[in-house]
Amino acid sequence: SQQGEEDPQALSIQEGENATMNCSYKTSINNLQWYRQNSGRGLVHLILIRSNEREKHSGRLRVTLDTSKKSSSLLITASRAADTASYFCATDANDYKLSFGAGTTVTVRA
Amino acid sequence: DVKVTQSSRYLVKRTGEKVFLECVQDMDHENMFWYRQDPGLGLRLIYFSYDVKMKEKGDIPEGYSVSREKKERFSLILESASTNQTSMYLCASSPIAGVGTDTQYFGPGTRLTVL
Repeated sequence: SQQGEEDPQALSIQEGENATMNCSYKTSINNLQWYRQNSGRGLVHLILIRSNEREKHSGRLRVTLDTSKKSSSLLITASRAADTASYFCATDANDYKLSFGAGTTVTVRA
Repeated sequence: DVKVTQSSRYLVKRTGEKVFLECVQDMDHENMFWYRQDPGLGLRLIYFSYDVKMKEKGDIPEGYSVSREKKERFSLILESASTNQTSMYLCASSPIAGVGTDTQYFGPGTRLTVL
């Protein structure tokens, strides 16, 4: 069953704008991860944030985690056409296994 | 870099056929996973393996089986393919976890169509 739910389902922005997407989950976690999937391809890991962390940065990506609200957000700054993809959050509901949401589809317009 | 490869990018099979999807990883990872991905449903775990010859059911194992005879190879088997198994199949691997679940590395996916 899905643990994480992304919001919005789809997002369209102009190149250079920021894109923000959110993830909510139901049960306690050890960590939360974000992945990107380009059309028709496999998923690529972007960033992992542990339950005792509140914010993490990687290049143009910023992830926040609020365990009291069971939610996370992914911000992509200064978006580029190459950022067009689907973005998934994944939580570790149980050891070994990740539970993925249905994803947010981001389209960056030139 | 970790590399996870899948035997086919696209596959077309007929109802009732036995289908083998192969996955190989080159990073000596202990854990391997098979997911299917359908629009609006995200990734759903079919089976995973945490060691050679070990396997555990995921969320949707019905109609599937798996085999892990060697550490680097994890096969997904559709015993008798049906049209509702038309989907994108993704393989992933990860090292042994510390606290929590570690990063998973994904293959490019196999888009299977069952006619």
